[in-house]
Amino acid sequence: EAQVTQNPRYLITVTGKKLTVTCSQNMNHEYMSWYRQDPGLGLRQIYYSMNVEVTDKGDVPEGYKVSRKEKRNFPLILESPSPNQTSLYFCASSFTRLAGHNEQFFGPGTRLTVL
Amino acid sequence: AQSVTQLGSHVSVSEGALVLLRCNYSSSVPPYLFWYVQYPNQGLQLLLKYTTGATLVKGINGFEAEFKKSETSFHLTKPSAHMSDAAEYFCAVSVRLGNSKLTFGKGITLSVRP
Repeated sequence: EAQVTQNPRYLITVTGKKLTVTCSQNMNHEYMSWYRQDPGLGLRQIYYSMNVEVTDKGDVPEGYKVSRKEKRNFPLILESPSPNQTSLYFCASSFTRLAGHNEQFFGPGTRLTVL
Repeated sequence: AQSVTQLGSHVSVSEGALVLLRCNYSSSVPPYLFWYVQYPNQGLQLLLKYTTGATLVKGINGFEAEFKKSETSFHLTKPSAHMSDAAEYFCAVSVRLGNSKLTFGKGITLSVRP
């Protein structure tokens, strides 16, 4: 089944404790992206990757890191989480980076709480 | 830069009634427009999209949307609401150039009353 998977689905952590949220897609997509969803703000892009070893900042990159060492994986790293990073996070992928009209496929989301 | 405006945060309709969710966009170049739906505790899935060509776009589950360039709008409609349509709906815009970023509206929660 074609899908985007994220782990963990739920995470409660404390301020300053490094964490990684994994994202994997099995559709051989070039483009991958991370979004955060907050009430009343919709989804905002954190980072994106157009291909292996190519990543760039989205609208709200502060406090986050990403890497793209393999085409299928795009982990999101919070080196020192803070309470304002409490949010619902979505990973998404798309077939090609060049066509903005391609459908983006979303993972099920990771609900993160930072105490 | 592109942007999306979805006025209001919540719409409530009766089962069988018309669903109308409004979306206005701003873009300096021809846009690509999308509606995504998010059911409770799930990720987003594509309802429909407009790229080029026919301005009336039909999507899944009986939804459709019309691209009106003169009004910079892409409103979502469904003639008859069903209880299963209760969800959050996001309008999004993208453009041909750039990083394929989807710029989302704030979302509208649709409730369906029996």
